[in-house]
This record gives sequence, C-alpha cells and structure tokens, in this order.
Amino acid sequence: AQSVTQPDIHITVSEGASLELRCNYSYGATPYLFWYVQSPGQGLQLLLKYFSGDTLVQGIKGFEAEFKRSQSSFNLRKPSVHWSDAAEYFCAVGDAWGGFKTIFGAGTRLFVKA
Amino acid sequence: NAGVTQTPKFQVLKTGQSMTLQCAQDMNHNSMYWYRQDPGMGLRLIYYSASEGTTDKGEVPNGYNVSRLNKREFSLRLESAAPSQTSVYFCASRVPPSGTSRPESRNQRDEQFFGPGTRLTVL
Repeated sequence: AQSVTQPDIHITVSEGASLELRCNYSYGATPYLFWYVQSPGQGLQLLLKYFSGDTLVQGIKGFEAEFKRSQSSFNLRKPSVHWSDAAEYFCAVGDAWGGFKTIFGAGTRLFVKA
Repeated sequence: NAGVTQTPKFQVLKTGQSMTLQCAQDMNHNSMYWYRQDPGMGLRLIYYSASEGTTDKGEVPNGYNVSRLNKREFSLRLESAAPSQTSVYFCASRVPPSGTSRPESRNQRDEQFFGPGTRLTVL
C-alpha cells in the first residue's frame, strides 16, 4: 500500500538559513510525488511535483526537491528561508489510475525565527 | 474563475444533527475529493469521485455519504454528527492525467486544487 512518512513534526530555522524537509514514501511503481504548502487558515497550494525525468525539480517560491529512488525519498529544500515561509508542508504520493488518489504525509510545521 | 469553493466556512453542530458540506469547482475537472485534516494526521481521504456519476470510499468513509450532483458539484453529508467528526474538511479537484489536449492542462496533470476548507465542530 502507498504511504508517506514525514519524520519531523516541526522544524525551526533562522531566517536566511537553509532548509531541508524530509519525506520518505512507499509505493510499488514509479511514484507521482508532490509537495504542498498550507499557510494558517488556508487550503493547500502545490509547491512542486515529480513525475519522471530529471530527479531535481524546481518549484515556486524558490523551493526545490530531489527524487532519490534508492532511498525512497523526496526531500524539499530551500537555500535561504524567509519569514513568510513559516507554514505547514505536506509531502504526497499519487497514482494515475483508478480514482487518481493521493496519499498525504502527516505534515511538517516550519517555524522561522528572526 | 473561482477555482474550488466550499460552503460553509464554519459550522457548529450538536451530536446527532445532520448537515451537508457543499463543494463546487469551475475548472471542468473530472475528479473530486473530500479530505479531513486533523492535527498530526495530515489529510485523510474520506470519499472521492473519479468522474461524474461515480463515487468511491477513501481511507475514512464511516459516518459520511457523498453525492456527485454533476461535474461541478460534490457534496459531503454527515447524517448523524459525532464529536469525532470535529475537523477541518477540504474539497479538492484534479485534472486527469489522460484525455486532455491543452498544454496547460497537461502541465497541471495530477495537481489537486484545494478549496479553503470548512471548520466543523461537533459538540
């Protein structure tokens, strides 16, 4: 069965520091992988996605993620965090068949300190 | 183009009451979804509709029913609300991965678009 694990419930980084949010997945075939961001009181917004091809994908707001098949990981990175990046981040794995279901991780809440 | 809209934004119910959460999308998407979000548990799929006229159970369907009224609308009904159903409910829609010819649709393939959520409290 598909599953997604985000090992860190919350992370605190200083503004201007680099960020890496971890995501591990379990899926029987080549996965469709996503990172979403949720600001307080808001719905989810797609940051980036991986389907195939280049394993380093670029997203919005300066985020990138790298797909590593051997480690079943899809970690999210940003070289320099801004205070406005404080939010909750969700990794997700999806399929292209049937109902096109997507399974979400439990989320990582990012705190940014000045 | 409003995207995905949900009503109401907030609702308080007493145990045993019923209500329907409404969702509509104006992006001509085939697939629609209902999730609930609880602290520390991410989003869990309640029901989904792969296309107009079909609905299927997700991870946590007990206590809920859905109706895909037409291509635009997908409603979630709580027949007898329980405190365990206190949660934030999100509706989403998705571009299917095949059968779309427009380049912008292919680029959005598999992306889910989310509504703003309904915060439900059951006392």
